[in-house]
Amino acid sequence: RKEVEQDPGPFNVPEGATVAFNCTYSNSASQSFFWYRQDCRKEPKLLMSVYSSGNEDGRFTAQLNRASQYISLLIRDSKLSDSATYLCVLRPMNQFYFGTGTSLTVIP
Amino acid sequence: DTEVTQTPKHLVMGMTNKKSLKCEQHMGHRAMYWYKQKAKKPPELMFVYSYEKLSINESVPSRFSPECPNSSLLNLHLHALQPEDSALYLCASSQAFTLEAFFGQGTRLTVV
Repeated sequence: RKEVEQDPGPFNVPEGATVAFNCTYSNSASQSFFWYRQDCRKEPKLLMSVYSSGNEDGRFTAQLNRASQYISLLIRDSKLSDSATYLCVLRPMNQFYFGTGTSLTVIP
Repeated sequence: DTEVTQTPKHLVMGMTNKKSLKCEQHMGHRAMYWYKQKAKKPPELMFVYSYEKLSINESVPSRFSPECPNSSLLNLHLHALQPEDSALYLCASSQAFTLEAFFGQGTRLTVV
């Protein structure tokens, strides 16, 4: 059983569109949650942490629903440069589990 | 400085070779990680070091041998690898186990 499930996509959206990704997890002991972005043949880079109260960073909004055990990422006004794979990550203590990743391509 | 440095960036090795991957961070992070990533797959956790001691080994074959000489360095010694071990090997570090991890650029390993 996978710890983290993500819709792999791919998501192909036009510039300016709003797109949302979800990630469900099975380990209720998970303490911390993150969204990472990974460009082709590059390392994962932290996009944002996810808090129970929800958090926003510019065009990006992350939400955590502990009761339903899912996290979400909303990207508004998509840019070409947003094209990447988005990975959700959960941390039950000293482990660091990645979701399978969701591929996003923003089309001109 | 949020940099994790990995060397080499690329490595080609034969199945009888012995080589080492190196990872360095100077952020004072006390948790360090090795991941393996195959194409179009997410990173898979291999090892976790906490305060220079191995705390997690995700049932990794013994042909991969990690080492943490000090709090800034993490090595991965490779011996008698198989072609299916070809992958991107990523090192990461974090300040604590509930905080975000920072990744190095990875070593792209090809076993021939």
